[in-house]
Amino acid sequence: DVKVTQSSRYLVKRTGEKVFLECVQDMDHENMFWYRQDPGLGLRLIYFSYDVKMKEKGDIPEGYSVSREKKERFSLILESASTNQTSMYLCASSDRTSGRETQYFGPGTRLLVL
Amino acid sequence: RKEVEQDPGPFNVPEGATVAFNCTYSNSASQSFFWYRQDCRKEPKLLMSVYSSGNEDGRFTAQLNRASQYISLLIRDSKLSDSATYLCVVGGMNRDDKIIFGKGTRLHILP
Repeated sequence: DVKVTQSSRYLVKRTGEKVFLECVQDMDHENMFWYRQDPGLGLRLIYFSYDVKMKEKGDIPEGYSVSREKKERFSLILESASTNQTSMYLCASSDRTSGRETQYFGPGTRLLVL
Repeated sequence: RKEVEQDPGPFNVPEGATVAFNCTYSNSASQSFFWYRQDCRKEPKLLMSVYSSGNEDGRFTAQLNRASQYISLLIRDSKLSDSATYLCVVGGMNRDDKIIFGKGTRLHILP
């Protein structure tokens, strides 16, 4: 079974703090993604990566950065957390070799910024 | 037209009934289609892929209508455990093609 893990299930931070969210997958997938999910807005793509050291902006990258130093690990960084970044953050990975991309999600991190 | 559009619901359906959801998509070049299920406060999980000829998995049937650009999900003999949000997902065949998630349809199965 594909396993995607995230470093924290729940996180409470203060405005202005630097926040690190880590994601690890154990299936040697090439592709990794970070989304946030908010009520009424659905899943929105923040950043994604198709390879080590490679990153691409998604639909809402502002206020976020990412790091992919190893194939299995994709980190999301909030340089200076703000209250509007309170959300559910979901990491996903996929292997596009089949040409039909199935994304496998981690359990999510619920971040509250005070 | 939104890229992927779903009726948000909620659909309140008695146990044992049949329920159907539709999802429309705007990009006629889309090649891959999926239904995901998301339980409350949990992550989305793949329910089934949708193939051109339609496909079935137990009580679940998925169909694709390319001419009208929609996919559908039919759940027969619904169970209480089917209560969840169902996400429609559309993508291309190339790595650079975007994967688009719908906002989901909430389903409540009533005892």
